[in-house]
Amino acid sequence: DSGVTQTPKHLITATGQRVTLRCSPRSGDLSVYWYQQSLDQGLQFLIQYYNGEERAKGNILERFSAQQFPDLHSELNLSSLELGDSALYFCASSVGQGAATGELFFGEGSRLTVL
Amino acid sequence: GNSVTQMEGPVTLSEEAFLTINCTYTATGYPSLFWYVQYPGEGLQLLLKATKADDKGSNKGFEATYRKETTSFHLEKGSVQVSDSAVYFCALSARTTGNQFYFGTGTSLTVIP
Repeated sequence: DSGVTQTPKHLITATGQRVTLRCSPRSGDLSVYWYQQSLDQGLQFLIQYYNGEERAKGNILERFSAQQFPDLHSELNLSSLELGDSALYFCASSVGQGAATGELFFGEGSRLTVL
Repeated sequence: GNSVTQMEGPVTLSEEAFLTINCTYTATGYPSLFWYVQYPGEGLQLLLKATKADDKGSNKGFEATYRKETTSFHLEKGSVQVSDSAVYFCALSARTTGNQFYFGTGTSLTVIP
């Protein structure tokens, strides 16, 4: 158990809909990262938050947004969903703003299926 | 920019065979290098790491040596087990790019009895 909790574990929805994925980081970790894992694109970095503020942005679509709340949990909002958004979405956390010598702790992921 | 290239999979080996998964990187500055493993149905977890040139990371019988001259961090294990079946990701993190993690595409390993 990594200590990172993601909900829901599975989600099935239709094209055009909006969903919210939730992540609770490990106790004491201030950084939260979101990754998308699909079969054809591997693990893609979406966005990072540190102590409530956005720190880095990766390949995140404009239809997607995220935030980190004062209690440090984070939510990833996906809107106007398309079939290609079907993927496994991982949240990871780390102690500091980055992890050059540390490590990321990953949740078990939220599997999104868009029909 | 920073990037990681790892060997294409899938890889299928018999139990007790020798494993090598190649990983090379491109980075500005002096990155830290990692191998993460993803077992079926689970999230990624750190397998081993090396933070400077010539360091060897090791864990659970796996080893990887940080080779600056060849910009490589190949993963090896002398005798694989069925329980090693998983997807393996090479990754780097560099201070020059805000300590962001860059992952390879992953290599799927299946070990057959």
